[in-house]
Amino acid sequence: GAVVSQHPSWVICKSGTSVKIECRSLDFQATTMFWYRQFPKQSLMLMATSNEGSKATYEQGVEKDKFLINHASLTLSTLTVTSAHPEDSSFYICSARDRLARETQYFGPGTRLLVL
Amino acid sequence: GQQLNQSPQSMFIQEGEDVSMNCTSSSIFNTWLWYKQDPGEGPVLLIALYKAGELTSNGRLTAQFGITRKDSFLNISASIPSDVGIYFCAGQRGDYKLSFGAGTTVTVRA
Repeated sequence: GAVVSQHPSWVICKSGTSVKIECRSLDFQATTMFWYRQFPKQSLMLMATSNEGSKATYEQGVEKDKFLINHASLTLSTLTVTSAHPEDSSFYICSARDRLARETQYFGPGTRLLVL
Repeated sequence: GQQLNQSPQSMFIQEGEDVSMNCTSSSIFNTWLWYKQDPGEGPVLLIALYKAGELTSNGRLTAQFGITRKDSFLNISASIPSDVGIYFCAGQRGDYKLSFGAGTTVTVRA
């Protein structure tokens, strides 16, 4: 149990295009999901909290118009990187909070984004 | 954000040795979690600790939630080659956000 998937696992896009990343909790419902960004050889940096049925909350310094988050159901959150630029290239990881497992967070496998 | 002090930053160990790493914080957390991350993958939960003083094992892994709620350690006994990877501690607050340590990179010499 407690499986989180992400799609796609990697994506290459041209500068100026938008990219959507999906995060799904496969065997549990998640009212809250989190989006992280990780640079090589660094720890995970929390970008935003995705709340089902309401607006996402963003960490300081993260542009909400740049990183659009939609949590349309209890098992799906999406992150859209709008007008992507090379500096947006990174490893994006989501996590989902399992209320029935003492609020433990389980992580997806990550999405590698490369913007050319 | 990253508020936890995790040590050591890296370690080279001989197969069969025991490994210890720890995390400290200036803040109190409700839950301590230990994750392992392989290159190109997401973190995988190893052990979750929910109560101050709790000592929990998962196979060769043992972790403890410090009494002050500001620290935790992880022990790996009898290391094997597949223990290679980066280990992260994380503290969870009341708003469910996680603060991560910088990670401990473990390399096992066969």
